Amino acid sequence: EVQLVESGGGLVQPGGSLRLSCAASGFSFSSSWMSWVRQAPGKGLEWVANIKEDGSEKNYVDSVKGRITISRDNAKNSLYLQMNSLKAEDTAVYFCARESSGYFAADYWGQGTLVTVSS
Amino acid sequence: DIQMTQSPSSLSASVGDRVIITCRASQSISSYLNWYQQKPGKAPKLLIYGALSLQSGVPSRFSGSGSGTDFTLTISSLQPEDFATYYCQQTYTSGLSFGGGTKVEI
Repeated sequence: EVQLVESGGGLVQPGGSLRLSCAASGFSFSSSWMSWVRQAPGKGLEWVANIKEDGSEKNYVDSVKGRITISRDNAKNSLYLQMNSLKAEDTAVYFCARESSGYFAADYWGQGTLVTVSS
Repeated sequence: DIQMTQSPSSLSASVGDRVIITCRASQSISSYLNWYQQKPGKAPKLLIYGALSLQSGVPSRFSGSGSGTDFTLTISSLQPEDFATYYCQQTYTSGLSFGGGTKVEI
């Protein structure tokens, strides 16, 4: 059974940092593109970043470039999102997802972890 | 960046109705269009990938069509469990993007 379990969310002050983790199991993690998608309270989905199987390619939405870094550890079957210089508008539930080969559709999702940026 | 526009943003329908949701891309995305269903408090669920391919386990009342810039998601006969919010997503460019969502209500 495929499982994606996010952790690391919480309350952080503006300008602070947070590192999210996503533990993967039940599939070949090292052969899968992975992504982070977020959803602000009461709002729609926003793709944040994705990373190639071997970590050699990373892509980001413009609003997080220079502040947020996606990474992975294939030996630990884990995906990460390092978030720095956090802003109130980064407040959201953050989901990790596996991107299927071919059309990069997110076919498996975690349950999400809530990040709240507030003083 | 490619902008995805869904319409309508919300709709009211009854069980048994045929529902059509549209998604338009700001430039051609070939068939790199996926559809998701999301219920409150839950993670999204993949319904359709590559514009028209049904994800495994998804009921056949869901179907997708289109290519280039204009796409549709059709629910042939709305069921009680289909009341949810639906999102399209383009994966043609490295900066993936979602549409704003369509809330299907009773």
